[in-house]
Amino acid sequence: GAVVSQHPSRVICKSGTSVKIECRSLDFQATTMFWYRQFPKKSLMLMATSNEGSKATYEQGVEKDKFLINHASLTLSTLTVTSAHPEDSSFYICSASAGEGQETQYFGPGTRLLVL
Amino acid sequence: GQNIDQPTEMTATEGAIVQINCTYQTSGFNGLFWYQQHAGEAPTFLSYNVLDGLEEKGRFSSFLSRSKGYSYLLLKELQMKDSASYLCAVADSNYQLIWGAGTKLIIKP
Repeated sequence: GAVVSQHPSRVICKSGTSVKIECRSLDFQATTMFWYRQFPKKSLMLMATSNEGSKATYEQGVEKDKFLINHASLTLSTLTVTSAHPEDSSFYICSASAGEGQETQYFGPGTRLLVL
Repeated sequence: GQNIDQPTEMTATEGAIVQINCTYQTSGFNGLFWYQQHAGEAPTFLSYNVLDGLEEKGRFSSFLSRSKGYSYLLLKELQMKDSASYLCAVADSNYQLIWGAGTKLIIKP
């Protein structure tokens, strides 16, 4: 149980385009979903936390208008990188938890984004 | 400030035992997590401790001492596939996970 999928697994795009990444909890309802970014050999950096049906809470320094997050249902959250630039190239990972509070986060497989 | 410390890298031999330590200073404590992350992949959940003591799960065990702000992950009968980074994370008073930088574990034959 507790499977989280992420799509696409890899994406290459041109600078200035937008990219949408989907995160789905396959066998449980995810009250809360998290979006992380990870640079090579670095720890995870939390970008935002989203609860189903409400606006995402962004971490300090993360641009809300650049990284659009939609948590439309209890099994789906999307991250859209708008007007992508080469510095947005990174490994984006989502995680989901079944409840609020100290629930274990289960991670998706990640999406590797390369912006040319 | 909030801080999670764990060694950057450790090396161990196949078949041996290794202990990865994690110390933390956070505003509040609502549990400590250990995750395994293979290169190029997302983390996978290993363990969760919220009470003091040892939790055993197969070859992996995790220990917590809240009074000392300390945890360790113990891996027994090491296998080559255990080569990975091991991430320690603490849920603070707001249940937000504070992440350590990870310990890269290298297993040698």
